[in-house]
Amino acid sequence: AQSVTQLGSHVSVSEGALVLLRCNYSSSVPPYLFWYVQYPNQGLQLLLKYTSAATLVKGINGFEAEFKKSETSFHLTKPSAHMSDAAEYFCAVSDLHGNEKLTFGTGTRLTIIP
Amino acid sequence: NAGVTQTPKFQVLKTGQSMTLQCAQDMNHEYMSWYRQDPGMGLRLIHYSVGAGITDQGEVPNGYNVSRSTTEDFPLRLLSAAPSQTSVYFCASTPAGSTDTQYFGPGTRLTVL
Repeated sequence: AQSVTQLGSHVSVSEGALVLLRCNYSSSVPPYLFWYVQYPNQGLQLLLKYTSAATLVKGINGFEAEFKKSETSFHLTKPSAHMSDAAEYFCAVSDLHGNEKLTFGTGTRLTIIP
Repeated sequence: NAGVTQTPKFQVLKTGQSMTLQCAQDMNHEYMSWYRQDPGMGLRLIHYSVGAGITDQGEVPNGYNVSRSTTEDFPLRLLSAAPSQTSVYFCASTPAGSTDTQYFGPGTRLTVL
């Protein structure tokens, strides 16, 4: 069975500061890993995905994530936070066969302090 | 191209009532799924379908039924609503076997009194 753990249900950073959202995964097969963002009262939007190509993945809105097999981690970062980044972020994992069955983490709510 | 659509956006039910949440996609995706989102629990898979006529259970299927008679539609039925089913429900679709993203609908917020 696969799972993801997101450390920190709430993270606050100052505008312009580094954003770091943590995700650790557990999977018996090489995983596909995803980060999704959810703005208030909206559905989920894909930020970026890792599908066994480059370990450093760049996504939309200046976000990136690095797949580290030795640490079973896929942390999300952005060098400089913007007010518009305030949202809830979900890490998700699926098995090698594709992204049909996603297992989500519990989410991290990001607050940006002006 | 409307993507994934869900109706209704909001619904209030009384305990014991039944209803169907509608989901449709116009991208000819084989795979469709239903998730529920609860505070502090992320999204959990209820049921999924890999094509017309084929459905299977996810992590939290109890109290929900699905069917897939066409590629486009994947309705979720609550046979006898319970307060524990108060949640936000998301439908998603993706091409089968793809590493593409799942495309999510805007959600249905359901309250069961």
